[in-house]
Amino acid sequence: KQEVTQIPAALSVPEGENLVLNCSFTDSAIYNLQWFRQDPGKGLTSLLLIQSSQREQTSGRLNASLDKSSGRSTLYIAASQPGDSATYLCAVRGNTGGFKTIFGAGTRLFVKA
Amino acid sequence: EAGVAQSPRYKIIEKRQSVAFWCNPISGHATLYWYQQILGQGPKLLIQFQNNGVVDDSQLPKDRFSAERLKGVDSTLKIQPAKLEDSAVYLCASNRWVTDTQYFGPGTRLTVL
Repeated sequence: KQEVTQIPAALSVPEGENLVLNCSFTDSAIYNLQWFRQDPGKGLTSLLLIQSSQREQTSGRLNASLDKSSGRSTLYIAASQPGDSATYLCAVRGNTGGFKTIFGAGTRLFVKA
Repeated sequence: EAGVAQSPRYKIIEKRQSVAFWCNPISGHATLYWYQQILGQGPKLLIQFQNNGVVDDSQLPKDRFSAERLKGVDSTLKIQPAKLEDSAVYLCASNRWVTDTQYFGPGTRLTVL
């Protein structure tokens, strides 16, 4: 049974700092991995999607990496801004059956001005 | 392109009452998902539809929860009777293909007193 863990649960950093969010998963038989952002009282917004055959994806100040063999992914945020404050969720999609998606509990990020 | 629509946004009921949520996915999206997100946790898949057929409902408490997707478009999720532990945000998501990025609606926040 796939389990997804995100560390740390919460993080507070000063504006301008580079930071790394971690995601680990127990079953390497995945189709893809996706990072989402969730603002309070809102739905989820997709940030980056990495296919199982890929090692990383980049979008602006965000870079996500995937190491399927070790069951790890990282989300790197460069030059953090107060507007980056949100909860970041990692979601792993299996590669069998209905391609079920399992989410981690998220990392709550606060960027101080 | 219009996003995923959900209603109502908020609902407060007493335990043992019934409640229904509605979701309208993005036009042309064949796959529709209902997730339950309890405070401080990641979303948990309740049910996944492909057109109007159920792909996965393994985590749906079928003694009290039901869902349908008539004509492969709109969907409703019903809880009857509600329990205190059903207090959560209910998120609807959709995608064109099951392996694509999922697009989420704003969610319905349910409080059971």
